[in-house]
Amino acid sequence: DQQVKQNSPSLSVQEGRISILNCDYTNSMFDYFLWYKKYPAEGPTFLISISSIKDKNEDGRFTVFLNKSAKHLSLHIVPSQPGDSAVYFCAAISTGSNYKLTFGKGTLLTVNP
Amino acid sequence: DTGVSQDPRHKITKRGQNVTFRCDPISEHNRLYWYRQTLGQGPEFLTYFQNEAQLEKSRLLSDRFSAERPKGSFSTLEIQRTEQGDSAMYLCASSLNNSPLHFGNGTRLTVT
Repeated sequence: DQQVKQNSPSLSVQEGRISILNCDYTNSMFDYFLWYKKYPAEGPTFLISISSIKDKNEDGRFTVFLNKSAKHLSLHIVPSQPGDSAVYFCAAISTGSNYKLTFGKGTLLTVNP
Repeated sequence: DTGVSQDPRHKITKRGQNVTFRCDPISEHNRLYWYRQTLGQGPEFLTYFQNEAQLEKSRLLSDRFSAERPKGSFSTLEIQRTEQGDSAMYLCASSLNNSPLHFGNGTRLTVT
């Protein structure tokens, strides 16, 4: 039972354009959401997060949008850079759950020069 | 902040052997997590420590798996009588209370 779903295994964009990565969740108890980036042979690195009381959080080139009614969130990267090429994981927490992350399967983003 | 350190980076073992992995969290972090990641999947939660107390274990953690965090510092994950299905990347993460988790680079286990 996949509670966090990233339905696009891969995404390819041109440098300078916008990258949009999508994530859906099924568990209504999730109330905090995070995006992690992972390069090959490294562990996941925290990128940005959003609480369920907000619908948008922005940090530089990265913006996360949350649509609670649709149980959907997205990560926007603009402008995309070749160094952004990595696997992006969406993760969710029910804050009463020992801060235990439930991850999606990830989306491989490739930014072409 | 030297980051979360995991040792070894790679481990190849024969089926039936025991293996032990070590994780050194960021020094001031009180929470420590173990996750497992297989090919094409996201990390899956295995177990969680708050200081030295193991507060939660996933049902993925069979009787062959045991984790410890003596004195609330480093942690070890031991797998007894390894099986081919145990082949995966084992990730350790730490955090200070409810801050986002910091992950180590993982230990890749291959069971032949």
